Amino acid sequence: QVQLQESGPGLVKPSETLSLTCTVSGGSISNYHGSWIRQPPGKGLEWIGSVFYSGSTNYNPSLSSRVTMSVDTSKNQFSLELHSMTAADTAVYYCARHRYSGSRLDYWGQGTLVTVSS
Amino acid sequence: QSVLTQPPSVSGAPGQRVTISCTGSSSNIGAGYDVHWYQHLPGTAPKLLIYGNNNRPSGVPDRFSGSKSGTSASLAITGLQDEDEADYFCQSHDGSLRIFGGGTKLTVL
Repeated sequence: QVQLQESGPGLVKPSETLSLTCTVSGGSISNYHGSWIRQPPGKGLEWIGSVFYSGSTNYNPSLSSRVTMSVDTSKNQFSLELHSMTAADTAVYYCARHRYSGSRLDYWGQGTLVTVSS
Repeated sequence: QSVLTQPPSVSGAPGQRVTISCTGSSSNIGAGYDVHWYQHLPGTAPKLLIYGNNNRPSGVPDRFSGSKSGTSASLAITGLQDEDEADYFCQSHDGSLRIFGGGTKLTVL
C-alpha cells in the first residue's frame, strides 16, 4: 500500500522560507511525479506544482516566482520550498503522487498545517 | 474562488441517490480534459474515487459513478451509506494547470 507523509515546520515567520518534505513508502517515486497542493482555511484547493523523479518541474504560474521543488530518489522523497512566506500562505499542504504530468493523483498524504505568523 | 464550481453541500438519507456537479468552462472540462473525483475525510489523506471521468480504481464500490458532458461533470452515489459522509472534490486541467473544485460536503441524514 503506497503511503505519503508530509513533514516540516508547523509555524513559519513572515518573509521566511517554508521547507516541506514528502516521504513515499510502499512504492517507488521512480517514473512518477510528485505534486504539492494546498488548501487555505475555508478555501478551495490550489495546485502549487509538480516535480518528476528526474528533477524536471512544472509550477503554477501564480506561485512560480517563489517555488522550488526537488526530488531525492535515494530517500524516496520529494520536497517543496516556498519563499517569502506571508499570512496568505497559511494553509494545509498536501503532497500527492501521479504517473504522468496530467494524470490523476493516485495517492495523497494526509496534509500538514502550516501557519505563517510572527 | 475555485476554477471548477461545486455545490457547497448536498444531503441524502441512507439508501438514496445523490449527485454532485462540477462545472467548468471551455478551457478545461469543455476542452476535453479528464475529470477526476476524490473523497476526503477530514484529517485523512484524500482518496481517488473516480478517474478519467467514469472509471473506478480497484476497491471503490460500484455505488460510485462519474459522468461528463460538455463543460460539466457529475459524481453519483447510489445506495447512500453512513460511511459516505465526507467531502468530495473534482479535479481537471486547464492547459498545464491542475485545477480543483471547491469541494462538496455530503451529509447522510
